[in-house]
Amino acid sequence: QQQVKQSPQSLIVQKGGISIINCAYENTAFDYFPWYQQFPGKGPALLIAIRPDVSEKKEGRFTISFNKSAKQFSLHIMDSQPGDSATYFCAASMGYKLSFGAGTTVTVRA
Amino acid sequence: EADIYQTPRYLVIGTGKKITLECSQTMGHDKMYWYQQDPGMELHLIHYSYGVNSTEKGDLSSESTVSRIRTEHFPLTLESARPSHTSQYLCASSGSPREWNTIYFGEGSWLTVV
Repeated sequence: QQQVKQSPQSLIVQKGGISIINCAYENTAFDYFPWYQQFPGKGPALLIAIRPDVSEKKEGRFTISFNKSAKQFSLHIMDSQPGDSATYFCAASMGYKLSFGAGTTVTVRA
Repeated sequence: EADIYQTPRYLVIGTGKKITLECSQTMGHDKMYWYQQDPGMELHLIHYSYGVNSTEKGDLSSESTVSRIRTEHFPLTLESARPSHTSQYLCASSGSPREWNTIYFGEGSWLTVV
């Protein structure tokens, strides 16, 4: 049973546009919500993370929005660049184990 | 950048062969993990370890086994490989006191069983 549901499965955005990826979870015991970025042939790498006591976190062009009551969180990529083309995974953890979403493949067209 | 290494990166073997995927990390992390990922799909935790001589099954059932005799080493073994084992296997570690929940991944081992 998938504990973290992620959408969309893929998206295409023009250079300079905004990419938005959404995730939802059920387990209210989750206490850490990271996003990982994965390029083809590489392992996932931590991009940005948030804890449930914060509603928004921004690092450069990447922003996580967190809605605790709705049990949803999202990643916004502002001013998308071709180098952002990758697969993005949301995740949630309780303790040291991560549960991953299914992933979103983002393609940024120049 | 994470210092976690996996070998081999790519392996093609015949059905019934025994294989071991190696994973080593130089960060002194006490927690290590193995994830399985099919192309374009999500990651599934198949094994984890919270320290030496500690191993647990993950959320996805796997016929593989693991061992943790040294902190830095967490090999995964398949006694008799089958085509259904074809997948990418990702090793990961965590446990730096200043980066409590951050999990670092290796680059993966692509296994093809023919």
